[in-house]
Parts: sequence; C-alpha cells; structure tokens
Amino acid sequence: AQSVTQLDSQVPVFEEAPVELRCNYSSSVSVYLFWYVQYPNQGLQLLLKYLSGSTLVESINGFEAEFNKSQTSFHLRKPSVHISDTAEYFCAVSPIQGAQKLVFGQGTRLTINP
Amino acid sequence: EAGVAQSPRYKIIEKRQSVAFWCNPISGHATLYWYQQILGQGPKLLIQFQNNGVVDDSQLPKDRFSAERLKGVDSTLKIQPAKLEDSAVYLCASSLEGSVTHGYTFGSGTRLTVV
Repeated sequence: AQSVTQLDSQVPVFEEAPVELRCNYSSSVSVYLFWYVQYPNQGLQLLLKYLSGSTLVESINGFEAEFNKSQTSFHLRKPSVHISDTAEYFCAVSPIQGAQKLVFGQGTRLTINP
Repeated sequence: EAGVAQSPRYKIIEKRQSVAFWCNPISGHATLYWYQQILGQGPKLLIQFQNNGVVDDSQLPKDRFSAERLKGVDSTLKIQPAKLEDSAVYLCASSLEGSVTHGYTFGSGTRLTVV
C-alpha cells in the first residue's frame, strides 16, 4: 500500500516570494508521482507529474518538483508566487505496476498575501 | 472537450435520509472514479469502474453506499441511510483506460452536508 504525507496543512507567503510545499511518500513498490491543484470552487487539475527520466519536472506556470528517491520526497517549489497561485495543492502517488490508482496526501492550502 | 459533469453542486440532508449523486465523464473515457474528500483531508477513492464493471470498491462502505454505471457512461453514487460523518465533497473523475500517466480529469464535486 502507498501513503502520502504533506507536512504543512497551510502555507502563507507574500506575493513574489519563493515557496516550497513538502511531500513525502511511503511505498513498497515503485511509484509515479503527481501534484494536483484545486482552485476555489473548481475540480482538481493536474499540475505536474514524474513518470521517469529527469528527476526535476516543471509545469507551464512556473512550478517545479524534484523526485528524491532516497528521501522518498517530491517537494513542489516556485521561485516567485502570484496571487493567482492561491489554491490547495495535493501530492499523489500511484503504483507503476498492477492496478494504477491515485493515493492523495491531505493537501496544503497556499495563501498568497499582497 | 467538455469536462466531467457532476450534479447537484450542493446537497443538505438530515441523517438517516438517502441521497444520490450523478456524474457524466468525458466522452470516450472508459474508467470512472468516485472519491470522497472530507474537509482537511485528501481525496479517498471509493470505487473505480472500467466501462460498466467494478475494478476496485475496497474502500466503499457497502452497508450504506452503492454505485452503478449501467451503460458504461454516466454513473450514480447513492448513500442510504446517511450519517453525519458522510459530510464531504464527492468527486467524480475519469481517465482513458485507467491510466494515471495522462492524469485524471476531475469534476467540480458535490458538497454534501448531513445535519
């Protein structure tokens, strides 16, 4: 079985400041890793994913995440945040082999202050 | 392309009443999922369908929850009777052939409040 721990339930930052949202996972098998974002009153949307290859993956809106196998982490970072990044962010994993299904962390609410 | 449609958006019921939620996935998506998202927690998978067959319902409380996808397209999730702890957002998602690699497409959810 897999489990995901997001270490911070809320992260307040000022606009244009850098941010890191932390995610650690536990799994006895190899996994794919994902970050989903949920804007207010909207469904979850895929932000970025790690499937294989380079351990650093990027999204189109400036977020990046790095897969660290030894530390079983997949932290999400952005060097300069905007008000529009205010949302809840969910880290998720799925086993690569067998029945694929997303297992989510509890989410981190990112609040951007002007 | 149209997204995943869910209705209703909000529902308030008294405990011991019954309630049903509806989901219409993206056209052509064979796999459909129902997730429960309790406030302050991440979404938890309740049931996964592949076409009209159940793939995984290991976390569905079968004494009160039921779901069907009779024609392999839209789906309904029912709770009967509801308990206070069922208050949550119920999310429907769909994907191509159950592959996580392309990501799931989620609907906006149904927020259920049981009083």
